[in-house]
Amino acid sequence: NAGVMQNPRHLVRRRGQEARLRCSPMKGHSHVYWYRQLPEEGLKFMVYLQKENIIDESGMPKERFSAEFPKEGPSILRIQQVVRGDSAAYFCASSPYSAGRETQYFGPGTRLLVL
Amino acid sequence: DAKTTQPNSMESNEEEPVHLPCNHSTISGTDYIHWYRQLPSQGPEYVIHGLTSNVNNRMASLAIAEDRKSSTLILHRATLRDAAVYYCILRDVLETSGSRLTFGEGTQLTVNP
Repeated sequence: NAGVMQNPRHLVRRRGQEARLRCSPMKGHSHVYWYRQLPEEGLKFMVYLQKENIIDESGMPKERFSAEFPKEGPSILRIQQVVRGDSAAYFCASSPYSAGRETQYFGPGTRLLVL
Repeated sequence: DAKTTQPNSMESNEEEPVHLPCNHSTISGTDYIHWYRQLPSQGPEYVIHGLTSNVNNRMASLAIAEDRKSSTLILHRATLRDAAVYYCILRDVLETSGSRLTFGEGTQLTVNP
């Protein structure tokens, strides 16, 4: 059973470009979470999605960031018009259920560098 | 999520036991205690979780105080591969917000050869 997969692992963008980060959850998992880790900082929750639904986006910046988890295919975190402050590691996690006792399984992350 | 307090850093020697403490004095009755760790340049990894009773798995043991206001993650024989940041996290099973993990600063564990 493959783990959570994220691609690309590294992404370089110039200011103003768009970044698309993909996350394929573990097989059988229908709950996806995105977290961001800024340099020298802790992990921060961004958004929680189920198939075709955003459940909690309280951690998402209000502008330029969006996330989706379509019925088919991976979850996508999209950052429009990137700025240098978006440089960070973005981690995706998945779980089979949403209950507070469920383990979240993390991917290896996408490291975004904005030049 | 209820707040947890952990030491910023701890050091251990290889093959010795490590006890990583966590204080959570404001824990509620429906909060589970979870531990995750993050190895350098990797995503977080689940370690163990519990509610009231002590728990054991292949990675570690979790000792929970009787009043649940503190817990201790125990690595029975530290290896160099256990060097990581360890996070103690409370998750409320009754709240939708309990679905997210709220990471604090964690404890940076250094293992000396």
